[in-house]
Amino acid sequence: QVTLVESGGGVVQPGRSLRLSCAASGFSFRTYGMNWLRQAPGKGLEWVAIISYNGKSNYYAESVKGRFTISRDNSKNTVYLQMNSLRSEDTAVYYCAKAAETGSTPFDDWGRGTLVTVSS
Amino acid sequence: DIQMTQSPSALSAFVGDRVTITCRASQNINSWLAWYQQKPGNAPNLLIRKASSLESGVPSRFSGSGSGTEFTLTISSLQPEDFATYYCQQYTVFPLTFGPGTKVEIK
Repeated sequence: QVTLVESGGGVVQPGRSLRLSCAASGFSFRTYGMNWLRQAPGKGLEWVAIISYNGKSNYYAESVKGRFTISRDNSKNTVYLQMNSLRSEDTAVYYCAKAAETGSTPFDDWGRGTLVTVSS
Repeated sequence: DIQMTQSPSALSAFVGDRVTITCRASQNINSWLAWYQQKPGNAPNLLIRKASSLESGVPSRFSGSGSGTEFTLTISSLQPEDFATYYCQQYTVFPLTFGPGTKVEIK
């Protein structure tokens, strides 16, 4: 079965950086696009970024463009989210999710999430 | 960006009730709409894609319909395990966007 495990969350000061990782297993990782989404405490879902199966294309939400970078290592079955210049409004549970289809897509498998808290 | 809205934002219902949630898109998204269920403390779970295609393992009491800009999620007979928050999501174009959610509570 598909398993996605996020790690790297924690408490960080505004303006600092953090890198999240998502380790995947149970499916052919190198053939699927991967996503990061987030959910602020008590709020709804926000899609953050997507990376294609081969890492050659990606898209970002406007709220993180220029600050966050999604990447992947198919040899390690892992997708990353490098988060720079963090703001208080980036505080959220960050989920890794597998793309169900190519291109713009729904998400058919999710990790359990990792909490990022941006606070001084 | 395509804006998604949902109504109602919350509802109370009895076990066995028929429940309908509406999702509207700010522009035509054809049938590129998904529905998710999220229970407290858990990640969302994909229920339906392409507006009406039920995911494997999802009970048949869930159904989806609609196209263009108006969509519905129906639970034909609400069960205790269905009390959760439901989100719609469009996937016709980036950025991918979600509705604000509908919380289904026990009456």
